[in-house]
Amino acid sequence: GDSVTQMEGPVTLSEEACLTINCTYTATGYPSLFWYVQYPGEGLQLLLKATKADDKGSNKGFEATYRKETTSFHLEKGSVQVSDSAVYFCALSDHDREYGNKLVFGAGTILRVKS
Amino acid sequence: EAQVTQNPRYLITVTGKKLTVTCSQNMNHEYMSWYRQDPGLGLRQIYYSMNVEVTDKGDVPEGYKVSRKEKRNFPLILESPSPNQTSLYFCASRTQGAYEQYFGPGTRLTVT
Repeated sequence: GDSVTQMEGPVTLSEEACLTINCTYTATGYPSLFWYVQYPGEGLQLLLKATKADDKGSNKGFEATYRKETTSFHLEKGSVQVSDSAVYFCALSDHDREYGNKLVFGAGTILRVKS
Repeated sequence: EAQVTQNPRYLITVTGKKLTVTCSQNMNHEYMSWYRQDPGLGLRQIYYSMNVEVTDKGDVPEGYKVSRKEKRNFPLILESPSPNQTSLYFCASRTQGAYEQYFGPGTRLTVT
């Protein structure tokens, strides 16, 4: 079945450092890919998405590019802030009708940014 | 404001005492779903509904029930909760044709 693997955390960075959180996926169809963010005590918010190969999703300074050849969707930010501290989830939704009814999530990566 | 709401946000209960967690969305979404979040496992789907009166099992449906009598509501029912159902639960919805889902704030359930 479909699966998502993301780097284990926690990731601890100083303010203004560069961030990369790795995400790779396995899917039988042609998935859409997502990054969700969960701030402390809150629900999940959609951070960015990409629906086909070579698409780049971006939001709030975060970017991720859909790489079909490497089945990857790594999250990047050039300069993190303390307010970026959260749990980040990579997820996919397969376009195949049989699988298109759910999001498949990675285990989540905790990001801590120090001032 | 477009949103998914859940109640209660926190619940502590005892083994075997039936409970219901409510979920409501105001976006006229056809699709609704329940997930549970456990450390190291990410989120796993419990049940989903493609529309009113249409529900189906997700990956971890054992011990749960759902119903979809109205488009906006999708309650999660635990008929006889057990400690292994202690978790953080999220309701989500999306419109037909889209794949991104919008999540509620979560319900933290503890079963003792």
